[in-house]
Amino acid sequence: NAGVTQTPKFQVLKTGQSMTLQCAQDMNHNSMYWYRQDPGMGLRLIYYSASEGTTDKGEVPNGYNVSRLNKREFSLRLESAAPSQTSVYFCASSYANLNEQFFGPGTRLTVL
Amino acid sequence: AQSVTQLDSQVPVFEEAPVELRCNYSSSVSVYLFWYVQYPNQGLQLLLKYLSGSTLVKGINGFEAEFNKSQTSFHLRKPSVHISDTAEYFCAVRPPSNTGKLIFGQGTTLQVKP
Repeated sequence: NAGVTQTPKFQVLKTGQSMTLQCAQDMNHNSMYWYRQDPGMGLRLIYYSASEGTTDKGEVPNGYNVSRLNKREFSLRLESAAPSQTSVYFCASSYANLNEQFFGPGTRLTVL
Repeated sequence: AQSVTQLDSQVPVFEEAPVELRCNYSSSVSVYLFWYVQYPNQGLQLLLKYLSGSTLVKGINGFEAEFNKSQTSFHLRKPSVHISDTAEYFCAVRPPSNTGKLIFGQGTTLQVKP
């Protein structure tokens, strides 16, 4: 099992460009999450999907959109990147809402 | 709103010494508590969790944590650290809802020196 995989690992964007971060899990988990990690602030939830076909906002959703493509995949899109979105992005999944979350290796994004 | 406070941003310690990483949370109701570890340039890995039952929870790599409801704390301890324990440690709380959302603390960097 690969667990939770994320692509790309690194990305540099210019302000105003768009991109999609991909996440996939092979553990048959129902719930998936997107976090961003910034120094001194821990991880903050951007969006989550409790089950296939549903998505909800987290703590910091502005500037992002998500798609739960199927049970395995949950993508995060930046429509018009801003320097404030420079961060490390983590995808996570869990079997159900109340179970522990498993994390991917992260995507390091820099917006110039 | 729920919050998690990790009282130390950095904890330097010598190899084979004991260590305690402190975590306090704000909640007047029952919550689930977690400690995660992040090694350099990697994702987060679960160390241990408290859901219910015994207040002393044992995790991987010799770590343990004690849930103290009256002090709303969940401190992480290890009696003897190794160089390989150098990492960032995150305390997290799951509020009593069915959304599965985690609220993370700011993180504590454990630096183990030879």
